[in-house]
Amino acid sequence: AQTVTQSQPEMSVQEAETVTLSCTYDTSESDYYLFWYKQPPSRQMILVIRQEAYKQQNATENRFSVNFQKAAKSFSLKISDSQLGDAAMYFCAYRSAYNYGQNFVFGPGTRLSVLP
Amino acid sequence: ETGVTQSPTHLIKTRGQQVTLRCSSQSGHNTVSWYQQALGQGPQFIFQYYREEENGRGNFPPRFSGLQFPNYSSELNVNALELDDSALYLCASSLAWDSVGTQYFGPGTRLTVL
Repeated sequence: AQTVTQSQPEMSVQEAETVTLSCTYDTSESDYYLFWYKQPPSRQMILVIRQEAYKQQNATENRFSVNFQKAAKSFSLKISDSQLGDAAMYFCAYRSAYNYGQNFVFGPGTRLSVLP
Repeated sequence: ETGVTQSPTHLIKTRGQQVTLRCSSQSGHNTVSWYQQALGQGPQFIFQYYREEENGRGNFPPRFSGLQFPNYSSELNVNALELDDSALYLCASSLAWDSVGTQYFGPGTRLTVL
């Protein structure tokens, strides 16, 4: 079974600075997808960014980018120019490309605080 | 485009009772998944429905059951509630032919079992 680990329960960053959230995963599969979701206090999970494992190029969405290291099974999220609205729980998630019905495996989350 | 909606927002039940939670998927999405998120933890996959049939299940007992309707909306039913069932229940919808399988989440239903 796949597992996802987020080793930083809490992180903080100064407004306008850059922060990196860590995620590692364990799998024996070669094809899969990785996601970062944000969950603000409103509780609704919001997709931040996604990465296909077969793509070597790291995904980027505006201020959000990932560092995907397939061999190391690492998938970190970098937030540049942090804003107060970025404060939330961030979850890393894995989805197998072979077993669609098994859906996502989530990590335990990292709580990000943004300091003004 | 209408997003994923869930009802009710909050619910309080007592141990042994039964509960039904509802979800309307995002417009055009034909697959619905349910997750349980205990306080301070990441979501845990319960099951997924596609074409009104369960096509994937996580490590949850049979007292967790579901339905999907022709309009792709869905219900999660939990029988014989236990204290540990207290959690946020999230519904997510997706397109079956989206190979990446990106899921779009609703705001959740907070269930408290006393």
